[in-house]
Parts: sequence; C-alpha cells; structure tokens
Amino acid sequence: EAGVVQSPRYKIIEKKQPVAFWCNPISGHNTLYWYRQNLGQGPELLIRYENEEAVDDSQLPKDRFSAERLKGVDSTLKIQPAELGDSAVYLCASSHRAASSYNEQFFGPGTRLTVL
Amino acid sequence: KNQVEQSPQSLIILEGKNCTLQCNYTVSPFSNLRWYKQDTGRGPVSLTIMTFSENTKSNGRYTATLDADTKQSSLHITASQLSDSASYICVVRANTGNQFYFGTGTSLTVIP
Repeated sequence: EAGVVQSPRYKIIEKKQPVAFWCNPISGHNTLYWYRQNLGQGPELLIRYENEEAVDDSQLPKDRFSAERLKGVDSTLKIQPAELGDSAVYLCASSHRAASSYNEQFFGPGTRLTVL
Repeated sequence: KNQVEQSPQSLIILEGKNCTLQCNYTVSPFSNLRWYKQDTGRGPVSLTIMTFSENTKSNGRYTATLDADTKQSSLHITASQLSDSASYICVVRANTGNQFYFGTGTSLTVIP
C-alpha cells in the first residue's frame, strides 16, 4: 500500500513569492491534515479536511495561506506571499474517518520550505 | 486547555544504554495516546498506541506505559542503538472527532 505522498520534498523561494505544496493521501482515507513543523518543535495543525470539507481551519493564517481538496482526495496548500517566518516543514497526514479508538494518522515525508 | 508536554527536551545516551521519555497531557475526553518516531527529514512513524484501558504496549525494544488516572505516559527504550537517534513525539487523540494534540518532542541522540 502506498503511503502519503507529498511534493516537492524541498522548496527554496524568495520572500513575497508564492509557493504551493501537494499531497496525495492514502487511498480510502477521508480525513486529511496539513501541519507545519518548525525546527525542534512538534507539528502544529493548519487545517483538517473531512472529505472535501475543511472542518478545522482555525489555525490557518488566512491572509496568506489557502488550501483546497476539491474532489476529497488530493490536496494543495498555498502560501502567497511567503514570509521569512514561513520557513518550516509542511507535513500532510491522512486517516480513516471511522471512530475507532485505534484510528491512526499516517504522515507523508513533508516538504521543507526555505524562504530567503 | 488541551495540552501535551514532553520531557526531557533533548537527551544524549551511550549506545546500549536504556532511556525513558515522559509525556504528560491534559487532553479530555481522552481516546488514545500514541508515540511517534521521527527521523531527521522524514515524517513521523507510529511506534505504539494505547487506549484508556491499556497500561503498557511493547514494540520490540520500545515499551510504552500509560497511567490514565494521572494522565502520564512514558516510552522506554531498551539497549539503545545508533538508529534510535530521532525525535520522539507523544500524540494524544481527543474522543471528539479526529483531533490530535502533539507534544513538542524529545530529541534523542545515541552516541557510540
């Protein structure tokens, strides 16, 4: 079974430029998450989707960040314009929506963004 | 406020030695607690998961314990190897939908 796929793995851009990250979750997983992870910190949730609906985007800086999951499968996270403080690893994860206590998140390898 | 705190922040041990990482949480209502290992440049990978009724869970040289009364968990690594060098993240799932709360992680370095 293929895991969560993210691209690109690395991105270097100048500040004020736009950038986009792509995520393909595990087949059949209804729930998709985008996290931002700063160096030496745990992941912080940016947005959570249930199918194509964003059910938790309270931590997403909406002035510059946007996300979409149009068909309830792949998702794109965009930053426009990027700022120096956006340098971080952006992780995508997916899970089944089922209410099982063992419901697990599976993570992609992340995209490391460097803003110069 | 739902929080997950981990200690120590970083740890250096000699190869072959044991170590224990701590996780305290205030997440409520509690569903499960999971320990992840995150190698540098990779996404987190699950090591163990425990629900309310489980006190201990092992995965090879990794043993996790859970005290749901005191809201504490520990991850014990036995006979450490160089490949154990990574960040270990404690994650608690709330029993109110797919919400996960992350600790800041413990950075473990195993030296020869």
